[in-house]
Amino acid sequence: AQSVAQPEDQVNVAEGNPLTVKCTYSVSGNPYLFWYVQYPNRGLQFLLKYITGDNLVKGSYGFEAEFNKSQTSFHLKKPSALVSDSALYFCAVRDDTDSWGKLQFGAGTQVVVTP
Amino acid sequence: GAGVSQTPSNKVTEKGKYVELRCDPISGHTALYWYRQSLGQGPEFLIYFQGTGAADDSGLPNDRFFAVRPEGSVSTLKIQRTERGDSAVYLCASTSAATDTQYFGPGTRLTVL
Repeated sequence: AQSVAQPEDQVNVAEGNPLTVKCTYSVSGNPYLFWYVQYPNRGLQFLLKYITGDNLVKGSYGFEAEFNKSQTSFHLKKPSALVSDSALYFCAVRDDTDSWGKLQFGAGTQVVVTP
Repeated sequence: GAGVSQTPSNKVTEKGKYVELRCDPISGHTALYWYRQSLGQGPEFLIYFQGTGAADDSGLPNDRFFAVRPEGSVSTLKIQRTERGDSAVYLCASTSAATDTQYFGPGTRLTVL
């Protein structure tokens, strides 16, 4: 079984400050990890993924995430947040033993960036 | 190129009615997924297709829910005898062998009165 935990319901940050959104996971095999962002009344927009290779993954809009196998974490980061980054962020995982498998999502973290 | 499209964007129905939700995946994507997102929660898996066949339908909550993909492209999610608890946003995603990423459509917001 696979699971994802996003321990923070909401993260508040001032514009220009660094942003971190936390995610921990559990899978039986090796993880494929994803971050998606959702704006109001919109679908999920892909930000970045970790499949293999470098633990630091860079994605869209200046976001990056660091895979930490020992801590089973995949935290999303942005060095300098923008007001437009305010949205709902979802971490998702699937097991590499299931090539086409379903994604297991966390409950989401609401990011609020204040001017 | 065109992304995943879903119709209708909103559907309001009465308890007990039948509804169909449509998903048009990215051209050439062989795998198609349906998820359901209830208010304040992350998306939950319902079913996925590889080509025309349902490869995993373990997320369908009960036999009122059914999905088809007869030609390996467009898919329809069908819900019979709708209940108020079916109210949610239904998301569709597609992917191909060339990518490990599922790309999502804008969703259909279903409201059962």
